[in-house]
Amino acid sequence: EPEVTQTPSHQVTQMGQEVILRCVPISNHLYFYWYRQILGQKVEFLVSFYNNEISEKSEIFDDQFSVERPDGSNFTLKIRSTKLEDSAMYFCASRGGQGGQPQHFGDGTRLSIL
Amino acid sequence: AQRVTQPEKLLSVFKGAPVELKCNYSYSGSPELFWYVQYSRQRLQLLLRHISRESIKGFTADLNKGETSFHLKKPFAQEEDSAMYYCALSPSTGRRALTFGSGTRLQVQP
Repeated sequence: EPEVTQTPSHQVTQMGQEVILRCVPISNHLYFYWYRQILGQKVEFLVSFYNNEISEKSEIFDDQFSVERPDGSNFTLKIRSTKLEDSAMYFCASRGGQGGQPQHFGDGTRLSIL
Repeated sequence: AQRVTQPEKLLSVFKGAPVELKCNYSYSGSPELFWYVQYSRQRLQLLLRHISRESIKGFTADLNKGETSFHLKKPFAQEEDSAMYYCALSPSTGRRALTFGSGTRLQVQP
């Protein structure tokens, strides 16, 4: 069964540095998402992406965040000038184009900001 | 604003006992409801969605619009059911971003 893959599994970065989290969605999926889960808290929506543009974003997704689908297979989340509070598990998800299709999640990237 | 509430952080039962994981939601329109499960060190996996009305691994969930609930049930718990369970909601149209509850950890003891 096809899966969403995320790399790296764990990223350690100094505060203030930029970080890029990578995701390869399922190949025939059209909608892409990023979520995050701070330790001990619920999974929170960050952004959705469709047709090469952001279709929806949450209040969390401020100017330090950006997403890109540079080559038709990868879907990346960039965090500029990371802060301590960005430490979290980041999940990528994708779903097919038909209505009612569920989202499929990757294993997540654990981001630790020092 | 949409919200999903899972009132229990931890539910501990013995093997063979019935299980009910509670989920309540608030949403002004017509939502889609899902249950996702996360086994130890594994990814979030879709367990159930209300539109398919199916039973997966013995689990069922019925959407009760009057009570705005989508409780997850299983008549006889198994040890392998031990995991984190998340209830989630998305709008039935648009980009369908998921709103998650805080999750309930199910521990099934032998």
